[in-house]
Amino acid sequence: GAVVSQHPSRVICKSGTSVKIECRSLDFQATTMFWYRQFPKKSLMLMATSNEGSKATYEQGVEKDKFLINHASLTLSTLTVTSAHPEDSSFYICSASGAGDIQYFGAGTRLSVL
Amino acid sequence: DQQVKQNSPSLSVQEGRISILNCDYTNSMFDYFLWYKKYPAEGPTFLISISSIKDKNEDGRFTVFLNKSAKHLSLHIVPSQPGDSAVYFCAASVEGTSYGKLTFGQGTILTVHP
Repeated sequence: GAVVSQHPSRVICKSGTSVKIECRSLDFQATTMFWYRQFPKKSLMLMATSNEGSKATYEQGVEKDKFLINHASLTLSTLTVTSAHPEDSSFYICSASGAGDIQYFGAGTRLSVL
Repeated sequence: DQQVKQNSPSLSVQEGRISILNCDYTNSMFDYFLWYKKYPAEGPTFLISISSIKDKNEDGRFTVFLNKSAKHLSLHIVPSQPGDSAVYFCAASVEGTSYGKLTFGQGTILTVHP
């Protein structure tokens, strides 16, 4: 299957700092990228959908100013958690899909905010 | 409101026997369903999918059954192997395409004993 690379796999940061997570499709052009958050023992919750070159569409209850998403190219999307706080600690996963294709997932990023 | 539910948090099966993972949904607009498999510290990987116009799809050891009237789908793995031990998520899409927004269930931990 297609390869989606997510970096970093783990990040620990101090409260109040910003953290950027990258999601890259390595062998295909991702017209759409998705960002998910997973709480312990819970399902993957969709945070936002982004299409290359346009603004991301956020799910209800997700703060767009808190979670900045940029999808600058067909192979790269970034999620920036701004002014992170301990309650933002979670597992974040991106996925990417080409036209008419299924979603391929990255390996996820474990964010721990101290 | 959990639109996709996997009511069994875990399932334990002997190697060589059948594993049956169940999933229920409440949104009758869902028209495409997928199963993903997830190992620890990795992102979900696509297993098998089914469109609402079908009631069965088979791929090797994996078969997905869809009962639209009951809003229920199941994943059968025969024969089960220790390498199948993972978390299995069912997911549903409302937009009629495999690359639409996915709503995930909570996941079921499958353990296959040698």
